[in-house]
Amino acid sequence: AQKVTQAQTEISVVEKEDVTLDCVYETRDTTYYLFWYKQPPSGELVFLIRRNSFDEQNEISGRYSWNFQKSTSSFNFTITASQVVDSAVYFCALSGMNTGFQKLVFGTGTRLLVSP
Amino acid sequence: ETGVTQSPTHLIKTRGQQVTLRCSSQSGHNTVSWYQQALGQGPQFIFQYYREEENGRGNFPPRFSGLQFPNYSSELNVNALELDDSALYLCASSSPGLAGAEQYFGPGTRLTVT
Repeated sequence: AQKVTQAQTEISVVEKEDVTLDCVYETRDTTYYLFWYKQPPSGELVFLIRRNSFDEQNEISGRYSWNFQKSTSSFNFTITASQVVDSAVYFCALSGMNTGFQKLVFGTGTRLLVSP
Repeated sequence: ETGVTQSPTHLIKTRGQQVTLRCSSQSGHNTVSWYQQALGQGPQFIFQYYREEENGRGNFPPRFSGLQFPNYSSELNVNALELDDSALYLCASSSPGLAGAEQYFGPGTRLTVT
């Protein structure tokens, strides 16, 4: 069975602080993909990043960075110098290869509140 | 490039009724997936359609059914509505529907069952 755990329910920071959102996953698939999505109050899920299980290189995109560690089954997301516009619910998701179709398994999300 | 659209935005139904939600996929995408997101939870996979056929299903009862049309748009039908069906229903499109494909989501339909 596949499972994604986001233990942090809600995080509150002040603008310009750095913040890390944790994601731990479980899967028996040897090939899988990990994703992060952002859900602003409007409700639409916005794609942020995809990583496959063979690529453990960390990635940086502007103020966003991702740390993938297979040894600890974690795929953490860091926002540097947070801004009010970063306030949203962030979801980590997993998709395995064994089902033959694409099924995203989501965590319960972390609500990030950035205050001015 | 047109993104994923869903209609209606909001819907209120009574327990026992039937509902149909609609989704237009992003241009060039032939795969549509539906998710249910209860309040405060992550989205849960309902099913996926590829080339007009259901090719994957989550743990949802048969009263949740769907269709995909030749233009790749899709419908989600829910019969015999229950109070627990109240949720945000999200449609996502991707191409070609493999496990690693990025899924692009629509704004969702918020269904309230009273």
